Amino acid sequence: DTAVSQTPKYLVTQMGNDKSIKCEQNLGHDTMYWYKQDSKKFLKIMFSYNNKELIINETVPNRFSPKSPDKAHLNLHINSLELGDSAVYFCASSPLARETQYFGPGTRLLVL
Amino acid sequence: QKEVEQNSGPLSVPEGAIASLNCTYSDRGSQSFFWYRQYSGKSPELIMFIYSNGDKEDGRFTAQLNKASQYVSLLIRDSQPSDSATYLCAVNRGRGGTSYGKLTFGQGTILTVHP
Repeated sequence: DTAVSQTPKYLVTQMGNDKSIKCEQNLGHDTMYWYKQDSKKFLKIMFSYNNKELIINETVPNRFSPKSPDKAHLNLHINSLELGDSAVYFCASSPLARETQYFGPGTRLLVL
Repeated sequence: QKEVEQNSGPLSVPEGAIASLNCTYSDRGSQSFFWYRQYSGKSPELIMFIYSNGDKEDGRFTAQLNKASQYVSLLIRDSQPSDSATYLCAVNRGRGGTSYGKLTFGQGTILTVHP
């Protein structure tokens, strides 16, 4: 019954590796988002997709590549991981006509 | 100047008191405003949203918006220890179908309600 789900919940990896985080929502929403929350708890938008189309692309290193195979899924692939990528990554979704966003449980990424 | 500013706290109030959380924003074109609550180790959870100047009440929570002063606040009446969390203010320039919801968050205010 989880509305917005993410996998994995925890990810510990070495510098230089490539990893992916997956997000799925069963709310029927058209828009999905990726946020990064740093160690100071500051939450910042990275990307947004509306019905599989990229609509928000903030200043994020191009090592980060989102992909939306359908409007219920939004994945985030990260190449050549760096120490500074350690953070909690949240997926969120919202209906097209409203901005209220519903967040997934987060993926805690630790790069060693 | 940060786009959305909050006092990081911590704000400490006794149980049963009113907790007042404040937020200012820099973009005069902002149209919709949100308060999220985040418990430690959990995801943000929407408490309230407000679009129009004035007050909006929902149970023990009241959101207040003053667009002229670029100020939004959240009042929590009869504060409970379970209200202890980080409260995030978020602002969106668009409204309804005109925006795809680029939320800009403040850094959050840590609230502690002590028995």
